[in-house]
Amino acid sequence: AQKVTQAQTEISVVEKEDVTLDCVYETRDTTYYLFWYKQPPSGELVFLIRRNSFDEQNEISGRYSWNFQKSTSSFNFTITASQVVDSAVYFCALSERSNMLTFGGGTRLMVKP
Amino acid sequence: KAGVTQTPRYLIKTRGQQVTLSCSPISGHRSVSWYQQTPGQGLQFLFEYFSETQRNKGNFPGRFSGRQFSNSRSEMNVSTLELGDSALYLCASSTRGDEQFFGPGTRLTVL
Repeated sequence: AQKVTQAQTEISVVEKEDVTLDCVYETRDTTYYLFWYKQPPSGELVFLIRRNSFDEQNEISGRYSWNFQKSTSSFNFTITASQVVDSAVYFCALSERSNMLTFGGGTRLMVKP
Repeated sequence: KAGVTQTPRYLIKTRGQQVTLSCSPISGHRSVSWYQQTPGQGLQFLFEYFSETQRNKGNFPGRFSGRQFSNSRSEMNVSTLELGDSALYLCASSTRGDEQFFGPGTRLTVL
């Protein structure tokens, strides 16, 4: 069975600090996809990134970066120089050979000015 | 391109009633998935439809059902509503095997 764990339920930082959101996953499949979504107060889930299990290359997109390590089954997300607009709930998710997403419990990030 | 739309955005029902929620996917997307989000259980997968066929189903009772039309629009129905069905219901659309794009959700309150 697949499982995603986000151990940090809530993180509070001051603007311009760097912050890393942790994600650990479990799956028996060798082919799978990992995702990060952002959920602002409006409720809509905003897609941030998708990685497949065969691509362990880290990715950077502006202030966002992702570190995928199969050896530790982790897919961590770092925001550099955080901003108040980054305040939201962030979800890590896993899918195997279908469109069924298994989500972690989410991490609420609060960025204070 | 227009995003995923869901109607209605807010709904209040009483126990025992039934409800139908609608989702219009992004143009060209043939897969529609539904998720339930509650404070206690988090985000849980309900079902996925592709080309009018249910392709995957989550662990929910039979009171939860859905369908997809030939234009890829999807509806989900919950019969005999219970208090615990109060939740944000999210719909997502995708092309096959691609990232899923979510709609704004329908917030259902059961009194």
